[in-house]
Amino acid sequence: GENVEQHPSTLSVQEGDSAVIKCTYSDSASNYFPWYKQELGKGPQLIIDIRSNVGEKKDQRIAVTLNKTAKHFSLHITETQPEDSAVYFCAAVQGAQKLVFGQGTRLTINP
Amino acid sequence: GAVVSQHPSWVICKSGTSVKIECRSLDFQATTMFWYRQFPKQSLMLMATSNEGSKATYEQGVEKDKFLINHASLTLSTLTVTSAHPEDSSFYICSARGLVQGTGANVLTFGAGSRLTVL
Repeated sequence: GENVEQHPSTLSVQEGDSAVIKCTYSDSASNYFPWYKQELGKGPQLIIDIRSNVGEKKDQRIAVTLNKTAKHFSLHITETQPEDSAVYFCAAVQGAQKLVFGQGTRLTINP
Repeated sequence: GAVVSQHPSWVICKSGTSVKIECRSLDFQATTMFWYRQFPKQSLMLMATSNEGSKATYEQGVEKDKFLINHASLTLSTLTVTSAHPEDSSFYICSARGLVQGTGANVLTFGAGSRLTVL
């Protein structure tokens, strides 16, 4: 089955700097890669996603890149703000199958 | 659109009692619902997948008699933790997949989670 590895487990950046979180997946058949933001005591919220037929997607300060050959994808947050502090999870899925989550990254934005 | 309501948001119960958690899709029909368990500072672990009108499919290592899942309608799934014990204390999260009426968009949305504490 699919296995998703996520790094780093914790990340601390200065406000205004960029943050990058990386994930690798094992199943080459996976074709959908969402990223979720989870705040303390809340459920995950989808912040951006990418499909396997696209190499990059951007939504304001957030971007995701996908390298199908290497089987890795990354989340990029630019101009970080204190409200970006949260736990971020990557995930991979094939078709209508179940999501497989990465281990999570606790992002802290220092003012 | 595509809102999933999960209730209760937190519950405290005595050891040996049963607790029911509800997951409702408010503006779309959820053909599939997923139940996750999340321990502190850990990732979400899938417990089971349920399709409306059929029995849930449990992940390896999840006791189906301990965690009863019912998906009787396209908008409601319930998770019942039977004879709860302190080790069942966790954050339980549901998600729902379906088509949004009107737009026809295929969505997968998470509930806000339910924190269970068993004394």
